[in-house]
Amino acid sequence: AQTVTQSQPEMSVQEAETVTLSCTYDTSESNYYLFWYKQPPSRQMILVIRQEAYKQQNATENRFSVNFQKAAKSFSLKISDSQLGDTAMYFCAFPNFGNEKLTFGTGTRLTIIP
Amino acid sequence: ETGVTQSPTHLIKTRGQQVTLRCSSQSGHNTVSWYQQALGQGPQFIFQYYREEENGRGNFPPRFSGLQFPNYSSELNVNALELDDSALYLCASSSPPGQGTGELFFGEGSRLTVL
Repeated sequence: AQTVTQSQPEMSVQEAETVTLSCTYDTSESNYYLFWYKQPPSRQMILVIRQEAYKQQNATENRFSVNFQKAAKSFSLKISDSQLGDTAMYFCAFPNFGNEKLTFGTGTRLTIIP
Repeated sequence: ETGVTQSPTHLIKTRGQQVTLRCSSQSGHNTVSWYQQALGQGPQFIFQYYREEENGRGNFPPRFSGLQFPNYSSELNVNALELDDSALYLCASSSPPGQGTGELFFGEGSRLTVL
């Protein structure tokens, strides 16, 4: 079975600091996407960043970037210059049955402290 | 552009009852997926609907069923409710399978409590 593991249930950092959230996964596929989703306290889940496994270059979206280590099956999310609005649950997700059918990790609750 | 909308936002049922949850997909999206998110957990894939047919199912029993309508909206039905069915039910719409970037667009969810 393909699994996604997030080993940090909770993290907190000061505003403006950098934080890294970890994720490991297990798959036998060779070509796939990996995703980080954010779920703020208002509940609506939104995509933070997406990585295509066949691309060597790590994805970047403004203050958000990933460190993708395909051989190690590791996919961490780095948030730079953290802001209060970054406070949320963060889920790493992997397509299990197809790209739109995702297996999610258990999440990391991130709190940004003013 | 209209986002994903779900109804109702909250509901309370008792064991053994049946429930129907509704979802309208984002405009332009013809694929709808349903996820169950128990408290403190990540969402779990229930099933996906594409072209009004089930297109993949997670590890959920047959008492979880769904429908998709010609306007791409969808329903999730759960029969014979159990206490463990208490969860946030998330609907997500997307581009057709294999044709998009894989991004899911989620609604705010329906919070179901089973007593």
